[in-house]
Amino acid sequence: DQQVKQNSPSLSVQEGRISILNCDYTNSMFDYFLWYKKYPAEGPTFLISISSIKDKNEDGRFTVFLNKSAKHLSLHIVPSQPGDSAVYFCAAMKTDSWGKLQFGAGTQVVVTP
Amino acid sequence: NAGVTQTPKFRVLKTGQSMTLLCAQDMNHEYMYWYRQDPGMGLRLIHYSVGEGTTAKGEVPDGYNVSRLKKQNFLLGLESAAPSQTSVYFCASTTSGANVLTFGAGSRLTVL
Repeated sequence: DQQVKQNSPSLSVQEGRISILNCDYTNSMFDYFLWYKKYPAEGPTFLISISSIKDKNEDGRFTVFLNKSAKHLSLHIVPSQPGDSAVYFCAAMKTDSWGKLQFGAGTQVVVTP
Repeated sequence: NAGVTQTPKFRVLKTGQSMTLLCAQDMNHEYMYWYRQDPGMGLRLIHYSVGEGTTAKGEVPDGYNVSRLKKQNFLLGLESAAPSQTSVYFCASTTSGANVLTFGAGSRLTVL
């Protein structure tokens, strides 16, 4: 039973425009959320995170929004750049769970010139 | 800094063969993890370790064994490989109290 869902397997966006990636979770015990980025033949790399006590976290071009009542988070990338073309994984955890992450299936983002 | 290193990067096995994947980290992290990634699915936790000499089961532990004899190494073993274990395996590590995992580059295993 997948507790973290990314319902869009792919997203195509023009360079310079905004990319919006969505993620839903079912377990209300999750209190920390992360986005990882993955290039082919590489491991996932940490991008940005948010604690459940916040509803927004921003880091440069990347912003994560959390809506706890809807059990929904989103990642905004603006402006999108060709180097942002990658698979993005949403992950969730309970902070007292020894760092164990639950991952979504990922969204493939393609940024076109 | 090498970070998290996985060996081998690629391996092809026949059904019933055994093998061991090695994960090594040079960051002095206490916690280590083995995940597998399959098409259309997120990474799923196989086993994890919160310290030298300790291991615990994750979400999909069946068919795998692990050992953490040294703090820097975490081994994943397949005693009798099955085609269902064809996957990409990722090792990760983090320090106690931290929430961000550092991943290795992955090991692609094919079982024929």
